Amino acid sequence: NAGVTQTPKFQVLKTGQSMTLQCAQDMNHNSMYWYRQDPGMGLRLIYYSASEGTTDKGEVPNGYNVSRLNKREFSLRLESAAPSQTSVYFCASSEGSARYEQYFGPGTRLTVT
Amino acid sequence: AQSVAQPEDQVNVAEGNPLTVKCTYSVSGNPYLFWYVQYPNRGLQFLLKYITGDNLVKGSYGFEAEFNKSQTSFHLKKPSALVSDSALYFCAVRDTGGTYKYIFGTGTRLKVLA
Repeated sequence: NAGVTQTPKFQVLKTGQSMTLQCAQDMNHNSMYWYRQDPGMGLRLIYYSASEGTTDKGEVPNGYNVSRLNKREFSLRLESAAPSQTSVYFCASSEGSARYEQYFGPGTRLTVT
Repeated sequence: AQSVAQPEDQVNVAEGNPLTVKCTYSVSGNPYLFWYVQYPNRGLQFLLKYITGDNLVKGSYGFEAEFNKSQTSFHLKKPSALVSDSALYFCAVRDTGGTYKYIFGTGTRLKVLA
């Protein structure tokens, strides 16, 4: 039982390049989330998927797109990376009912130069 | 707007002493409250939650938290701190507006001194 996995662990991009961050969970959770963590700002929600087939914007969605590929997988795409997107990105999942706590992946450290 | 505040960027405590990490919230309706811990270069780990029931909730690693509705607070506590408790702690609240979103505080760095 791996929990929440994320790939890659580290990435360096040049401004304007694109990339997709992958996330998968094996806990049969309904809801999945993408956050970014910046010093002094806590975690900010980028996008979330309450259930398979739905996605919604969070607090800071600009410059990002998401795909809920199936119940297990939720990917985050940067179409044209900017230095302001340098951050640590976390994927999380939760059952969505009764057990509301979130389970987090190990994170992806992204640097955009 | 719903929000969570962690008023202290850092808390220092001596090993063996009790520790408190503060959290206050602002939501409409009944809050679902959470504490998470983050060790260096790791993802967040769930510690405990308040959904309903007893105001004192117990969680992992000897941590507990007290829900106080009148003060809109959910402070994290431990009777005797360990050096290994040194980490970044986040308070979070689930949005009560019918979405599945969570709002996180900015985090409090706990440093336990030997």
